[in-house]
Amino acid sequence: GENVEQHPSTLSVQEGDSAVIKCTYSDSASNYFPWYKQELGKGPQLIIDIRSNVGEKKDQRIAVTLNKTAKHFSLHITETQPEDSAVYFCAARYQGSYKLIFGSGTRLLVRP
Amino acid sequence: GAGVSQSPSNKVTEKGKDVELRCDPISGHTALYWYRQSLGQGLEFLIYFQGNSAPDKSGLPSDRFSAERTGGSVSTLTIQRTQQEDSAVYLCASSLIAGQNTGELFFGEGSRLTVL
Repeated sequence: GENVEQHPSTLSVQEGDSAVIKCTYSDSASNYFPWYKQELGKGPQLIIDIRSNVGEKKDQRIAVTLNKTAKHFSLHITETQPEDSAVYFCAARYQGSYKLIFGSGTRLLVRP
Repeated sequence: GAGVSQSPSNKVTEKGKDVELRCDPISGHTALYWYRQSLGQGLEFLIYFQGNSAPDKSGLPSDRFSAERTGGSVSTLTIQRTQQEDSAVYLCASSLIAGQNTGELFFGEGSRLTVL
């Protein structure tokens, strides 16, 4: 079955710096890769996603890149702000299914 | 309300007791998911319902776990003979599966289960 690995498990950056979180997936038939942000005591919320026919997608300060050959995808947050502090999850979805498999999460701390 | 609603928000039970967790999805959403989040861990897939199709139960950790979705709406996750390792936050999500949309998952705030 699909497996998603996520690194690092924790990340601490200075406000204004960039943060990068990386994921790898096991099933080459996966075609959809969303990123979710979870704030304390809340359920995860979608922040950005990318389909397998696209290599990069940007939305203001966040961007996601996908390397299908290497089965890697990454989340990039620029000009980080304290409110970016949260747990971030990557996920992958196998083609033909709507089941999402999540990575283990990255706890991001942005120091003021 | 407009979001996914889960109850109870907190449940403390004794080892060996049965518990039921309820999820009320967003109206009109055809897909419903249950995930388990142990302390400081990721989201472990449990089960997925889509319309009238047979549910995908591939993530249920043991036969003590079961779930049903009545009338294509409300879902109940049941854990029988609870064990301490069942302690976790159980998250429900729903999604509108239609055409080429991405099927974004909308999560509830979870039910925190503590087994003593």
